[in-house]
Amino acid sequence: GQQVMQIPQYQHVQEGEDFTTYCNSSTTLSNIQWYKQRPGGHPVFLIQLVKSGEVKKQKRLTFQFGEAKKNSSLHITATQTTDVGTYFCAPNTGTASKLTFGTGTRLQVTL
Amino acid sequence: KAGVTQTPRYLIKTRGQQVTLSCSPISGHRSVSWYQQTPGQGLQFLFEYFSETQRNKGNFPGRFSGRQFSNSRSEMNVSTLELGDSALYLCASSLVQGYNEQFFGPGTRLTVL
Repeated sequence: GQQVMQIPQYQHVQEGEDFTTYCNSSTTLSNIQWYKQRPGGHPVFLIQLVKSGEVKKQKRLTFQFGEAKKNSSLHITATQTTDVGTYFCAPNTGTASKLTFGTGTRLQVTL
Repeated sequence: KAGVTQTPRYLIKTRGQQVTLSCSPISGHRSVSWYQQTPGQGLQFLFEYFSETQRNKGNFPGRFSGRQFSNSRSEMNVSTLELGDSALYLCASSLVQGYNEQFFGPGTRLTVL
């Protein structure tokens, strides 16, 4: 079955540093979504990537979908304390019609 | 538009009891999915309802069940509660069923003693 690894599990950065989380799949993905969950909050949709090699930007956030559609990354430039939370990928192989989530990467940002 | 609402927000039960959680989706959304979130297991899919029918089911025992009403509101029920059922139960709605953008509610925090 599909195996999805999200790394790292946890990262602690100083404000202003960059941050990247990776979502790696053992099988080819149809598309992938990313969500953010603030501490004490609920997941909030960030973006969906569909095309091979796709790159999308949202202000300081850059999302990439690998050329082979087996991995994806979320990069945050110059982190701020508002970026604190857990970032989840939700990959789709195309055969399952439900949303399943990766293990998440918890980001801590300190001044 | 109002967001997804879940009631109650917090619940404390004892082992062996049963519990019913409620979810009201965003107006116009016909799909409702339920997730269990725990520190150890992360976010796990329970089931999805669309047009009052269960369309997908995760790997949970039969003690976990749900239903959806004609107005798209959904309930989930957990019978014979176990300590391990303590979790945040999240409901999410979307326009259509399947893999698409999910709008999550604030969740119900269930504690089983």
